[in-house]
Amino acid sequence: GNSVTQMEGPVTLSEEAFLTINCTYTATGYPSLFWYVQYPGEGLQLLLKATKADDKGSNKGFEATYRKETTSFHLEKGSVQVSDSAVYFCALSDTNAGKSTFGDGTTLTVKP
Amino acid sequence: GAGVSQSPSNKVTEKGKDVELRCDPISGHTALYWYRQRLGQGLEFLIYFQGNSAPDKSGLPSDRFSAERTGESVSTLTIQRTQQEDSAVYLCASSITSGVTDTQYFGPGTRLTVL
Repeated sequence: GNSVTQMEGPVTLSEEAFLTINCTYTATGYPSLFWYVQYPGEGLQLLLKATKADDKGSNKGFEATYRKETTSFHLEKGSVQVSDSAVYFCALSDTNAGKSTFGDGTTLTVKP
Repeated sequence: GAGVSQSPSNKVTEKGKDVELRCDPISGHTALYWYRQRLGQGLEFLIYFQGNSAPDKSGLPSDRFSAERTGESVSTLTIQRTQQEDSAVYLCASSITSGVTDTQYFGPGTRLTVL
C-alpha cells in the first residue's frame, strides 16, 4: 500500500536559518504530492503541491520538487521566520484522492 | 467565502455513549472526507463521499463508526458505544472533486475525549 515517511521532529531553528524537512513516499501509479501546514490553533491548509514528476511546488518562500527517481518531496525554505512555526504534513494522493496518505507531521519551532 | 466548518469543536463523553460529529463542507465541493488524528500522529483516513456515489468506507476502524452525507452538503460521523481509544481529533475535509490533483480543504476539527 501507499506510505509517506517524514523526517522526525521536532525541529528547532533560529530565525533566518535554512530549513529542510525530508519526505519520501511509496505509491503505485502516478501520485500527486502535497505539503500541508497546521499553524497553532488553526486547521490544516495546503502549503504547496506538485502533480507530476520534476514539478516544483512553491508558496510563501517554501519549495518542494517532485523527484520520482528518489521518491522524495523534500520541503525547503532558505530563511525561516518565527511565523513559520507550525506542524508540516507531507501527503500523497494516488488515483483515488479519497485515500490520501499523510505522514506523521513534523513540528517546526523557529526562535527569534 | 466560508470554509469547512465542524461542530462541536470539543466533545467530552463517557465511555459507552454515542456521539455525533458534524461537518459542513465548502459549497459546491462534491467530495467530503473524514480523518482521525491521534495525538502526535498523522491523519488516518476513515471514509469519503463523492457526489451521489456509494461512500468509500474502507478506513472505518470498526462497525461502531458510521457516516452519512445529505446530497452534497452536510455530513455526520457517528461513533456508537465510544471507547477510550476513540479519543482523537476528527477532521473533515472537502474538495471540488476526488481527483488525484485536487486540494483538500480542512475544517478546524472536533476534539473528542472519551472518559
